[in-house]
Amino acid sequence: KAGVTQTPRYLIKTRGQQVTLSCSPISGHRSVSWYQQTPGQGLQFLFEYFSETQRNKGNFPGRFSGRQFSNSRSEMNVSTLELGDSALYLCASSLGSNNEQFFGPGTRLTVL
Amino acid sequence: DQQVKQNSPSLSVQEGRISILNCDYTNSMFDYFLWYKKYPAEGPTFLISISSIKDKNEDGRFTVFLNKSAKHLSLHIVPSQPGDSAVYFCAATNSGTYKYIFGTGTRLKVLA
Repeated sequence: KAGVTQTPRYLIKTRGQQVTLSCSPISGHRSVSWYQQTPGQGLQFLFEYFSETQRNKGNFPGRFSGRQFSNSRSEMNVSTLELGDSALYLCASSLGSNNEQFFGPGTRLTVL
Repeated sequence: DQQVKQNSPSLSVQEGRISILNCDYTNSMFDYFLWYKKYPAEGPTFLISISSIKDKNEDGRFTVFLNKSAKHLSLHIVPSQPGDSAVYFCAATNSGTYKYIFGTGTRLKVLA
């Protein structure tokens, strides 16, 4: 069974630009979560989608948004990029609540 | 507001000895806890989990202990191996919130 895939793996953008990251979950997984990882901050929860519905979101500004498609693939978008948005963005999929999450390798975003 | 805390940023252990990684949480509504291992340039990998109705769960060399009254969980690795060297994250969730809160991680180094 193929794992969680994320594209692109690396991205360099400049301040003010916007970016879209993509995540394909494990086949059969309908829950997709997004996290931001920065040094010393651990993994910060961004949002979770299930069957195209956002069920929860973390404490991030509205510049961070996401969506999920009918095939469970998910995208997250960050608009008006700031230097502080430089981070590793991780996507995780699971069968549902109280199930382990399976993570992709992440997208390393650098904002210059 | 860090609801899940890993107060030791790093830990060094001799090969063959026990590694004990600790995690504290503040939210008494958390009812499911997980441990993940992360190697550089990879996403976190699920290790072991425990429900709040249990106080111990074992899987091979890995055992997780949960002390609900102290709001504390720990991961024991016995015996420790050099391949266990990685960053370990604990995570917690409240069923139905679809949101996992991660600690900031502990870097484990197992010395050969």
